[in-house]
Amino acid sequence: DAGVIQSPRHEVTEMGQEVTLRCKPISGHNSLFWYRQTMMRGLELLIYFNNNVPIDDSGMPEDRFSAKMPNASFSTLKIQPSEPRDSAVYFCASRRQENTEAFFGQGTRLTVV
Amino acid sequence: TQLLEQSPQFLSIQEGENLTVYCNSSSVFSSLQWYRQEPGEGPVLLVTVVTGGEVKKLKRLTFQFGDARKDSSLHITAAQPGDTGLYLCAGPSGAGSYQLTFGKGTKLSVIP
Repeated sequence: DAGVIQSPRHEVTEMGQEVTLRCKPISGHNSLFWYRQTMMRGLELLIYFNNNVPIDDSGMPEDRFSAKMPNASFSTLKIQPSEPRDSAVYFCASRRQENTEAFFGQGTRLTVV
Repeated sequence: TQLLEQSPQFLSIQEGENLTVYCNSSSVFSSLQWYRQEPGEGPVLLVTVVTGGEVKKLKRLTFQFGDARKDSSLHITAAQPGDTGLYLCAGPSGAGSYQLTFGKGTKLSVIP
């Protein structure tokens, strides 16, 4: 299995632009997480999907952030418009079921200038 | 939200030394997981502890879950440069405990 695949690995964009991050979870996993990691705040849970349905998006910082999971093999995290304070590493993770190992992608390093 | 506090935040030691890092909470967790993250990569699971008082060993790493299931520790014996990384504890949280919440981690540097 290829593991959780995220794209792009790096993204540099100008303030105000739309940014879309992509994630392909491991086949057969029914849970998907989006996290944001910064030095100051560590790994913050943004949103959690179970069976493609958003269960809890209380971690999404603002309305500028949105996430979708149209099917079991694909999810996107969109920021529109982006701001410099959104600069961070964004991770996608999936797991087969509750209380099992979460597998992380390699992350997308986002820089908003 | 159940919070996990990790200490110390940073730790720099010489190769061959022993160390312990901690993960504490005021809440009871049904289980806790420990992950290690290397630069440029996502976290990778090391171990899951489920039973209060449980001790698990992974080569030179010893993990313990507190009797009250509110805390956990990771002890590394004879640290090696390959142990360098960010050590994160995580536990289920949220309604239904379906989510996975992480502490901020301990950044360990082992100097040759």
